[in-house]
This record gives sequence, C-alpha cells and structure tokens, in this order.
Amino acid sequence: AQSVTQLGSHVSVSEGALVLLRCNYSSSVPPYLFWYVQYPNQGLQLLLKYTTGATLVKGINGFEAEFKKSETSFHLTKPSAHMSDAAEYFCAVSAGNTPLVFGKGTRLSVIA
Amino acid sequence: GAGVSQSPSNKVTEKGKDVELRCDPISGHTALYWYRQSLGQGLEFLIYFQGNSAPDKSGLPSDRFSAERTGGSVSTLTIQRTQQEDSAVYLCASSLQLTQGSGNTIYFGEGSWLTVV
Repeated sequence: AQSVTQLGSHVSVSEGALVLLRCNYSSSVPPYLFWYVQYPNQGLQLLLKYTTGATLVKGINGFEAEFKKSETSFHLTKPSAHMSDAAEYFCAVSAGNTPLVFGKGTRLSVIA
Repeated sequence: GAGVSQSPSNKVTEKGKDVELRCDPISGHTALYWYRQSLGQGLEFLIYFQGNSAPDKSGLPSDRFSAERTGGSVSTLTIQRTQQEDSAVYLCASSLQLTQGSGNTIYFGEGSWLTVV
C-alpha cells in the first residue's frame, strides 16, 4: 500500500521568496509521484510528475521537484514565489496500476 | 468534451434524501475515478472504473454509496439516505488508462459541492 505525508498544512512565504513544500511517501514498490495544484473553487491541475528516469522533474509555472529514494521524499520547490501561486498543493503517489493516493494538502499563502 | 464535466456543481439536500452526482469524462478516456474532498482531509479515493473490468469499490465508505458507469463513458455516483458527514466536494477524474507509470495523467473535473442539512 502507498501513503503520503505532507509536512505543514499551511505555509506562508513572502513574494519573491523560495517556496518549499514537503512531501514524504511510503511505497512497497517503485513509486510514481505527482504534485497537483488546486486554485480556489477549481479542480486539480497537474504540476509535475515523476515516473522513471531523471530524478529532478520540472513542471509548469516554474515549479520543480526532486525524487530522493534514500529519503523517500518528493519535495516541491520554486525559486521565487508569485502572488498567483497562492493555492492548495497536493502530493500523490501511485504504484503504477493503482489509483492515486493523496496527501492532505498544503495551503500556500504568498504575502506581498 | 474538452475536460471532465461534473454536475451539479452545487447541491444542497436534506438529511435522509438520496442524491446523484454525474460525471462526463474526457472523450476516449477508459479510466474514471471518484474522489471525495473534505475540509482538511485531502482527497479520499472512492471508486474507479477501467474499461469493461469490474470496478474497484474498495474506497466506498459505506453501502449507502454506489456508482455506475454506463457505456464506458458517463458515470453516476449515488448517495442514499444522506448524512451530514457526507457533506464534501466530490471530484471525478479520468485518464487514458489506469497505469500511471506509462505517463498518463489523471484529469480532474471541478467537483460537485454537496451540502447535507
């Protein structure tokens, strides 16, 4: 079975500051990892995903994440936060032939 | 269609009533999922359909919940005798196939907001 833990239900950063959203996973098989973003009153949109190959994955809107097997982590980063980045972010894991298992989400606030 | 379509977008119902939530997946997507999103609880998997295979119902919280998918396309999630704890956003999603490892992305609808009063 797979599980995801997102550290911090709410993260606040200043505009222009580094964004770091933490995600740790548990999986008995090689995982496939995803980050989704949810803007207010909208559905989920895929930011990026790791399946195989390069462990540093680049996504939309300047976000990237690095798969670290030794740390069972898939943290999401962005060098410089914009006001438009304020949203809920969800990390998810799959075994490849199972539905996604999501973390509880991290709400990102960006302060001007 | 261009995206996953869900209806109604908002539903207020009285406790004890039955509700039906509809999902129209992206054309050609064989896999369809239902998730429930409650405040502070993240996304809870409910059920998925893959082609003509028997659905995986392992996430349904009680026998008051059921879902069907007709003709391999539109799906309906039914909640019988609704309770206040059923209040949540019900999200539908679809993908080309279930196997995420092949790179297929799951696309989500905007959800059906259910309030049980």
